[in-house]
Parts: sequence; structure tokens; C-alpha cells
Amino acid sequence: KQEVTQIPAALSVPEGENLVLNCSFTDSAIYNLQWFRQDPGKGLTSLLLIQSSQREQTSGRLNASLDKSSGRSTLYIAASQPGDSATYLCAVRPGDDKIIFGKGTRLHILP
Amino acid sequence: GAVVSQHPSRVICKSGTSVKIECRSLDFQATTMFWYRQFPKKSLMLMATSNEGSKATYEQGVEKDKFLINHASLTLSTLTVTSAHPEDSSFYICSASAGGGNEQFFGPGTRLTVL
Repeated sequence: KQEVTQIPAALSVPEGENLVLNCSFTDSAIYNLQWFRQDPGKGLTSLLLIQSSQREQTSGRLNASLDKSSGRSTLYIAASQPGDSATYLCAVRPGDDKIIFGKGTRLHILP
Repeated sequence: GAVVSQHPSRVICKSGTSVKIECRSLDFQATTMFWYRQFPKKSLMLMATSNEGSKATYEQGVEKDKFLINHASLTLSTLTVTSAHPEDSSFYICSASAGGGNEQFFGPGTRLTVL
């Protein structure tokens, strides 16, 4: 059974710092991995989607990596800003249409 | 990306009443729609998968008579929480896909509070 774990559960960093969020999954047989952002009480915003054949994806200050063999992904945020404060969710797609989510990392950027 | 809407965004109801939540794909035909539930500090949990024109497939532990799902058209799926109780209070999110392994696009969610 595929399980997705995100560490840490919560993180506070001063503005301007670079940071890394971690995601691990138990079954390396995945179709893709996706990082989402969720603001309090809001829906999901897709940030980056990495196909199983890819190693990383970049969008602006965000970079996500995927190491399928070790079951790990990282989301790197450069030059963090207060507006980056949110919960970041990692999700894997095992191969069928289902998506399995981690519990998320609550990020707080200190002004 | 494609746009998925949900209505209502928030609903407060009395215990024992039924609540219907709509999920619409606005600019594509959603062969498959998914309903998720999110508990505080927990993962989003898939409740059921629905394919247009057929019965929904429910995940283990989800009561199909409690959470009625209808996917009557390629742009609309509904989730009805029947005889709602306070423990049904949660954030419900739908997603839609054109099927065949295509990406899922998520709605903005519906906050249900049962008094």
C-alpha cells in the first residue's frame, strides 16, 4: 500500500532564506508526483508535476526533484517570501487515476 | 490549466439534514471525477471515484448510502451528504479528469459544518 510522508509537519523560517520540504513514498512504482499549495480554508493549487521519467521541474523560485528509486522528492523554495506561507502537499499517482496525498508541511515565513 | 468549480463554497446545516455539493468542469469534459475529504492536520482522503454514466466506486470505509455521488454528465458531479451529523463536518474537495491517465484538476473545496 502506497504511503506518502512529509517532513517536517511544520516549518518556520525567516524571510529571504532558501528552504527544502521533503516528501517520501513507500512504493517507487509511480506514474507521477505532484506538489500542491493550500492556503487556509482554500482548495489546492498545483505547483509542479514531475512525471516518473523526469528528475526535476522548475517554476520560478520553486524547484522540485524526484528520485523514484529511493522514494523521495524535495521541493526547494528560493528566497522565501511571506506570501509563500501556506501548507504544501506532496501527492503521488500510483499508476491508475488515484492520487495519494501526504499530510502536508505547514510553512510560515517570518517577515 | 483547466478550471473546476464547486458550489457552495461553505454550507452550515442542522444535524439530520441532507446537503448537496456540486462539482463542475468548466472548460473540458470530465470523464472521471473524484471526491476527497480533508480532516484537520490529515491528508486528503479519496472518498470515491465516479465515471460519467456509471456508479461511483467507493473507497474502503466510505458509506455509499451516506455519501451519494451522481455523475450524470461530463461536466457535473454531485456529492450528497445524507442525514448529516457533526462528524461529517469537513472540507470536501472534488477533482476532475478527462480520464485515460490525464491530469486531475481540483476544485476550490466546500467547507461543510453540521451543527
